[in-house]
Amino acid sequence: ETGVTQTPRHLVMGMTNKKSLKCEQHLGHNAMYWYKQSAKKPLELMFVYSLEERVENNSVPSRFSPECPNSSHLFLHLHTLQPEDSALYLCASSQTVGANTEAFFGQGTRLTVV
Amino acid sequence: GENVEQHPSTLSVQEGDSAVIKCTYSDSASNYFPWYKQELGKRPQLIIDIRSNVGEKKDQRIAVTLNKTAKHFSLHITETQPEDSAVYFCAASFSAYAGNMLTFGGGTRLMVKP
Repeated sequence: ETGVTQTPRHLVMGMTNKKSLKCEQHLGHNAMYWYKQSAKKPLELMFVYSLEERVENNSVPSRFSPECPNSSHLFLHLHTLQPEDSALYLCASSQTVGANTEAFFGQGTRLTVV
Repeated sequence: GENVEQHPSTLSVQEGDSAVIKCTYSDSASNYFPWYKQELGKRPQLIIDIRSNVGEKKDQRIAVTLNKTAKHFSLHITETQPEDSAVYFCAASFSAYAGNMLTFGGGTRLMVKP
């Protein structure tokens, strides 16, 4: 596979569940991102990892926990979510560090919290 | 932090007409301005970007202009076609040591009527 792939594509979870979203990039990039896309709101940057270290955390609630074990993989661990957390979660990657280059997005995980 | 405003939120044009989408940003340090196109159910994809050392950039039917003094940038699509129908997002970013800290506008839903 090429590009940025996310699994699962769709996820329904209860408020007491624990689940994880997975992202994998095959582009050789060194930065990875999690974005949240809600209806009628702009794409919101949640987390940034550069060279496998977290460099940005935009005041995201602790019920979202990212993990970046290596430069090709990124996870978002979810626990005790709220219905308002239902959204499309997009992963992206770019070749950067000190430069602005194109961010490539995955197709997203559509999350529904019930 | 950066704030990006995008207008209009919806835009309907006749096939063959031009479409213009405008964005303003707040952080004068931003130096990278990409535009993404997101078709229904698909990932956002970069269509054009511009850096702060350039005032205009063109790629076939798509052009972007940047006014750093006024802190606004615009997307121009000429000779629109039905396949141009999608949601378009502008973004602004300043990258120092880490990845693209993209702040997105709220999106414009473009509908091209045949």
